Amino acid sequence: QKEVEQDPGPLSVPEGAIVSLNCTYSNSAFQYFMWYRQYSRKGPELLMYTYSSGNKEDGRFTAQVDKSSKYISLFIRDSQPSDSATYLCAMSLTSGGSYIPTFGRGTSLIVHP
Amino acid sequence: DVKVTQSSRYLVKRTGEKVFLECVQDMDHENMFWYRQDPGLGLRLIYFSYDVKMKEKGDIPEGYSVSREKKERFSLILESASTNQTSMYLCASSSRTGGTSYTFGSGTRLTVV
Repeated sequence: QKEVEQDPGPLSVPEGAIVSLNCTYSNSAFQYFMWYRQYSRKGPELLMYTYSSGNKEDGRFTAQVDKSSKYISLFIRDSQPSDSATYLCAMSLTSGGSYIPTFGRGTSLIVHP
Repeated sequence: DVKVTQSSRYLVKRTGEKVFLECVQDMDHENMFWYRQDPGLGLRLIYFSYDVKMKEKGDIPEGYSVSREKKERFSLILESASTNQTSMYLCASSSRTGGTSYTFGSGTRLTVV
């Protein structure tokens, strides 16, 4: 079993839909959770960053962490064609020093007009 | 705007050639990383460095070497390129203070023929 599991998709939704992207993990020591967005032929860019459990909202994006279930989610409201990309979850034990995040394989999202 | 810059977006090299991929960051980050990204396999860590002239093997170092002579520059070297090294190569850097500092470059798409 991989440390971080993420469904590769593709997930295809109509414009305006609410999108839910998810990751599960096995290491209960993870404390920091991140979502990266990667457009085709580009590098990943940090989208959301949360510490421990709870929700964090930024515009149309909400990141949710449930440490008891070892499950994290990214919700996108009012999805747009420009949201079409691959979304990678990442998590780490620490923030700082020599930390290296553990990445999921990414979920491909397609938002069609 | 902080940046990780990879010298080439696309490269085509012949089997057996020695290939240099360059990465420069302007954020004064201590840590630098090289990944390759392949469909279905996600990001795989090749080498990383926590300081000038220091290097550590990642998960798939075979066939690669690295050089870090200056803090801002981290080079990936393919000693004798092979077709199975055709991939997307991503450089990243981060600060020891952590947080949201883990930043990727735009990637180099390398094709070995």
